Amino acid sequence: QSVLTQPPSVSGAPGQRVTISCTGSSSNIGAGYDVHWYQQLPGTAPRLLLYANSNRPSGVPDRFSGSKSGTSASLAITGLQAEDEADYYCQSYDSSLSGLYVFGTGTKVTVL
Amino acid sequence: HVHLVQSGAEVKKPGASVKVSCKASGYTFTGYYMHWVRQAPGQGLEWMGWINPNSGGTNYAQKFQGRVTMTRDTSISTAYMDLSRLTSDDTAIYYCARDPYLLTGFNYMDVWGKGTTVAVSS
Repeated sequence: QSVLTQPPSVSGAPGQRVTISCTGSSSNIGAGYDVHWYQQLPGTAPRLLLYANSNRPSGVPDRFSGSKSGTSASLAITGLQAEDEADYYCQSYDSSLSGLYVFGTGTKVTVL
Repeated sequence: HVHLVQSGAEVKKPGASVKVSCKASGYTFTGYYMHWVRQAPGQGLEWMGWINPNSGGTNYAQKFQGRVTMTRDTSISTAYMDLSRLTSDDTAIYYCARDPYLLTGFNYMDVWGKGTTVAVSS
């Protein structure tokens, strides 16, 4: 029942750049709500990767960047590293129902 | 350091209820919302709701309304999530996660617990 759509998987060789899209609608991203990104390494809890579209919490490498435009957002990983292999989720706020926090469908990043 | 420590794994029968706890440390418990998010095996993240530990106010996802209750005990900085009428579809890892909305105005989750596995099986 995710209302934010992400590609199921993306892959790249070490050192390459990959991007993950997050497509929403006029009741969430398109309404101006910010997008946040989480990284989930295998067998662990999610951790905050980017907040408010493009801001990195302390400790997150600057090879992770984000942007938002219209009803979509994207996460870019430059200089892909083996430890970046994980699931990535976008998240926003949706005003269509009772103040929902909504997650994306999730994207598996594979480092070739 | 900020920590969210969750209670241990649970095994429940269909129709039963489960109560998961989340003990916060390293910050002012009442200054941050607390969310509950679940993840079924091999699936994505699903938001269940939040509680404002200061007021006790809650906001539940429509899917869980009538079946979930989120509470807190400020004296021990602990949040609770109670889910009733369990079915096999409720088998999942349940996470608590802190939200700094009251300080930042942004709706995100900056600190997560390690998760509590709940298995529902007859």
